[in-house]
Amino acid sequence: DTAVSQTPKYLVTQMGNDKSIKCEQNLGHDTMYWYKQDSKKFLKIMFSYNNKELIINETVPNRFSPKSPDKAHLNLHINSLELGDSAVYFCASSEGLAGYEQYFGPGTRLTVT
Amino acid sequence: KQEVTQIPAALSVPEGENLVLNCSFTDSAIYNLQWFRQDPGKGLTSLLLIQSSQREQTSGRLNASLDKSSGRSTLYIAASQPGDSATYLCAVKDTGGFKTIFGAGTRLFVKA
Repeated sequence: DTAVSQTPKYLVTQMGNDKSIKCEQNLGHDTMYWYKQDSKKFLKIMFSYNNKELIINETVPNRFSPKSPDKAHLNLHINSLELGDSAVYFCASSEGLAGYEQYFGPGTRLTVT
Repeated sequence: KQEVTQIPAALSVPEGENLVLNCSFTDSAIYNLQWFRQDPGKGLTSLLLIQSSQREQTSGRLNASLDKSSGRSTLYIAASQPGDSATYLCAVKDTGGFKTIFGAGTRLFVKA
């Protein structure tokens, strides 16, 4: 029954590795997002997809690559992980791009050692 | 560039008190403003969504107002309870590029 789900919940990895975080929504929404919450708890948009099309790419290093295989899924792949990538990553979805409520997943806590 | 500020950064109140959280934004060109609650180590829970054409929204003990022209929103919590303790975040959906901009949040602690 979970509306927006993410896997894994926790991810601990070493610098230089490549990792992926998966997100799925069962709300039938057209728009999905990735946010990063840093150690100071500040939330910032990274990417937004609408109907599988990239809409927002917010000055994120190109080591981060989102992929949307279908409207219900938006995955985040990160290459060559760095210490500064340690954060909580949230996936969210909404019915559309403008004027709609956003629903958030539980977050993935990434720790890079 | 849109900026969102929340005041106060932290607030501690005794149970039963009515309280107001403030959110201000610099650009009035928004689609909507959304208030969220975040418990420690958890995701965000949507509380209220106010469209740019609306003045307020209510849900139970919560009431959110929006004054787009002055770039302000308030979240009013009536008869606060210890279970209301959490971080409250406001976010605006910018018309310039559909970006969502978050404030830094207000950490609320309600003492029993």
